[in-house]
Amino acid sequence: DQQVKQNSPSLSVQEGRISILNCDYTNSMFDYFLWYKKYPAEGPTFLISISSIKDKNEDGRFTVFLNKSAKHLSLHIVPSQPGDSAVYFCAASSYSGGGADGLTFGKGTHLIIQP
Amino acid sequence: DAGITQSPRHKVTETGTPVTLRCHQTENHRYMYWYRQDPGHGLRLIHYSYGVKDTDKGEVSDGYSVSRSKTEDFLLTLESATSSQTSVYFCAISRDGGSYNEQFFGPGTRLTVL
Repeated sequence: DQQVKQNSPSLSVQEGRISILNCDYTNSMFDYFLWYKKYPAEGPTFLISISSIKDKNEDGRFTVFLNKSAKHLSLHIVPSQPGDSAVYFCAASSYSGGGADGLTFGKGTHLIIQP
Repeated sequence: DAGITQSPRHKVTETGTPVTLRCHQTENHRYMYWYRQDPGHGLRLIHYSYGVKDTDKGEVSDGYSVSRSKTEDFLLTLESATSSQTSVYFCAISRDGGSYNEQFFGPGTRLTVL
């Protein structure tokens, strides 16, 4: 039973355009959401996060949107650059643990930026 | 850079042998985690620690044990390795004084069990 779902295993986007990565969750106890970026043979790198009390968080080219009623979040990257090619993981933590008891991850989406 | 190192970075072993992976942090944060990453599964939590000698199980803890005798080191042990434990193992920390939700990862250990 997967609690965090990334239904697109891969996504190809042209350089300069917007990349939109999607994530759905089923556990209503999740109250904090994160996106990680991962290059091959490296550990995941924290990218951006959002608390459930917000619906948007922005950091430079990266924006995360949260729709609590739909249990859906998305990561927008504008403009997409070649260095953005990586696997992106959506992750969540629950109110009860405050994140201290670990994160629940999706399976990841491989973003490929085409020149 | 969260100052996390993992050793070894690569290991090949045989079924039935014991294996210990080490995670070392330089910043002495309280919370440390072990995850495994497998194709089609994302990252899954194995065990975590909230202080010296304080540990708890995660989602996929069967076949694994952990120990934390010093703040800076968190060891993951496979008592008798099986082929299903072939995976990439990541250690992570949460920074004290920050959000425990935001975890920072080491470079990973690729383990192959033949």
